Amino acid sequence: DTAVSQTPKYLVTQMGNDKSIKCEQNLGHDTMYWYKQDSKKFLKIMFSYNNKELIINETVPNRFSPKSPDKAHLNLHINSLELGDSAVYFCASTSRETQYFGPGTRLLVL
Amino acid sequence: AQSVTQPDIHITVSEGASLELRCNYSYGATPYLFWYVQSPGQGLQLLLKYFSGDTLVQGIKGFEAEFKRSQSSFNLRKPSVHWSDAAEYFCAVGPPQGAQKLVFGQGTRLTINP
Repeated sequence: DTAVSQTPKYLVTQMGNDKSIKCEQNLGHDTMYWYKQDSKKFLKIMFSYNNKELIINETVPNRFSPKSPDKAHLNLHINSLELGDSAVYFCASTSRETQYFGPGTRLLVL
Repeated sequence: AQSVTQPDIHITVSEGASLELRCNYSYGATPYLFWYVQSPGQGLQLLLKYFSGDTLVQGIKGFEAEFKRSQSSFNLRKPSVHWSDAAEYFCAVGPPQGAQKLVFGQGTRLTINP
């Protein structure tokens, strides 16, 4: 009965590769997010979608492209991975005020 | 610009001792306020939130927080910590019309001494 799930949990890849992270929520929420947590544990919002429409796009490189096939899913595709992309990526969803987070995807770029 | 400051990067307390984690925010209006906890290798779990009304809010796991408008603070407290409380704690603020964009503090790492 997981509320917000992410796959994969761990992702180790080489520089220059393209990878995707998937997120699904079964809470019936309209809005979903991607956050990046860096090595210092700092959390910063990257994107937000409301009913499949992009509503927040922070200053994120174009190599990052979110895609929302339906309001229960928000995937993150990353092109040409760089060392600095190594981080934990969290998906979250909300219906109104409170955001509920997934378990995170730990990405390591070698 | 909105910001959240957690002045203590790392706190160590003994099991059974009381705990207070500080959070100060800078926001144009009274924001929605949240505390989340992240256990090692885990995601973020909501501890409690404040939107309006009673300035002392109760959360899960015996935590409470007090909103003080005059000090722009939302400190987290627990009267007696347990070893399982060792984790990273994040304070966050969001716009009063809904948590469309949460801004997080840098986190406070809590270590519990036996």
